[in-house]
Amino acid sequence: GAVVSQHPSWVICKSGTSVKIECRSLDFQATTMFWYRQFPKQSLMLMATSNEGSKATYEQGVEKDKFLINHASLTLSTLTVTSAHPEDSSFYICSARGGVNGELFFGEGSRLTVL
Amino acid sequence: SQKIEQNSEALNIQEGKTATLTCNYTNYSPAYLQWYRQDPGRGPVFLLLIRENEKEKRKERLKVTFDTTLKQSLFHITASQPADSATYLCAPHASGGSYIPTFGRGTSLIVHP
Repeated sequence: GAVVSQHPSWVICKSGTSVKIECRSLDFQATTMFWYRQFPKQSLMLMATSNEGSKATYEQGVEKDKFLINHASLTLSTLTVTSAHPEDSSFYICSARGGVNGELFFGEGSRLTVL
Repeated sequence: SQKIEQNSEALNIQEGKTATLTCNYTNYSPAYLQWYRQDPGRGPVFLLLIRENEKEKRKERLKVTFDTTLKQSLFHITASQPADSATYLCAPHASGGSYIPTFGRGTSLIVHP
């Protein structure tokens, strides 16, 4: 099946620094990718829809200046957490529609810990 | 607003039994419903998709039902194994390729040997 690769799988950073997470569709082209955040024992919360060649669409309550999304090619979307703070510590997951029925393929997730 | 409800408490069953997980939704009429499996610290993996005009869908030991009147989907795993232990997520959605995927909280299944 389709493969989505996410990198890094975990990252620890100091408060105030920026962190970039990459999401790649390895064997298919994804004009749309989705970024989620997940806290322990909680559901996947959609943060934004990343559209190739255009601006991302952010969900209500998600700061677009803090979570910068770039989808410069059909196989790569990046999420940059700017000026990270401890409350940004979470599990970030990307996905793309890759199946004939619109099923989603997810990356492995990135665990961000901000000290 | 649209709401997706899954049993928040973990489901504990004995190996070999059938596990049944429930997904209820309110305030919308999805044309499709997807089920995913998520292991701790990993991204979800797609399992099955069922359309509104299909009452039942099977894949190996998995069976999904979709009752649009009750606004409910049931997810069954027969002859369950400890390796089936995971969190299972449902995602009802509209038709076409432009839907925005949202998920229930998921139900944790624990299969005891």
